[in-house]
Amino acid sequence: QKEVEQDPGPLSVPEGAIVSLNCTYSNSAFQYFMWYRQYSRKGPELLMYTYSSGNKEDGRFTAQVDKSSKYISLFIRDSQPSDSATYLCAMSGFTGGFKTIFGAGTRLFVKA
Amino acid sequence: EAGVTQFPSHSVIEKGQTVTLRCDPISGHDNLYWYRRVMGKEIKFLLHFVKESKQDESGMPNNRFLAERTGGTYSTLKVQPAELEDSGVYFCASSLDNSYNEQFFGPGTRLTVL
Repeated sequence: QKEVEQDPGPLSVPEGAIVSLNCTYSNSAFQYFMWYRQYSRKGPELLMYTYSSGNKEDGRFTAQVDKSSKYISLFIRDSQPSDSATYLCAMSGFTGGFKTIFGAGTRLFVKA
Repeated sequence: EAGVTQFPSHSVIEKGQTVTLRCDPISGHDNLYWYRRVMGKEIKFLLHFVKESKQDESGMPNNRFLAERTGGTYSTLKVQPAELEDSGVYFCASSLDNSYNEQFFGPGTRLTVL
């Protein structure tokens, strides 16, 4: 079983839609929960991170972590064509450093 | 401020050859990480440097891979001899210190072993 499970999609939505992306994980030691966005031929770029459980909002993006269910989500409101990218969930816990465990990534297409 | 840079952007080699990838982290970042994404799989951790010391190399696949960070600045990842299954995208990331900090990723080196 993978430590982090993420549906690879692709997910196609019309412009303006609310997008919901999610991941499940198995390691209860994870403390930091991140969402990265990756455009084609680029490296991952951190969108948001959350420490432990709870919600975090940044503009059109909301991240939610439910440690009791080992489930994390990213919501994108008023999605734009420029949001089309691969979204990677990622997690880490301090083990002498912060090596990051990634999900497979969900490919998102937002149609104009 | 310059971001994380990686060289080359793409390398095509034959099985059995040697390849060296280079990563230049953001200036002043003590922490440097190597990750790899092979076709169809998730990005996986390879190893972590704190300055010039290897903090965690638990993700290195085998002894054909050698990473160095002499002087605590740039890092190299050598694959010798390369095998077909080594093909993938190799990412480098850096962060400021050893509390949680955002890891800034480079654009990656795409390695193709024929």
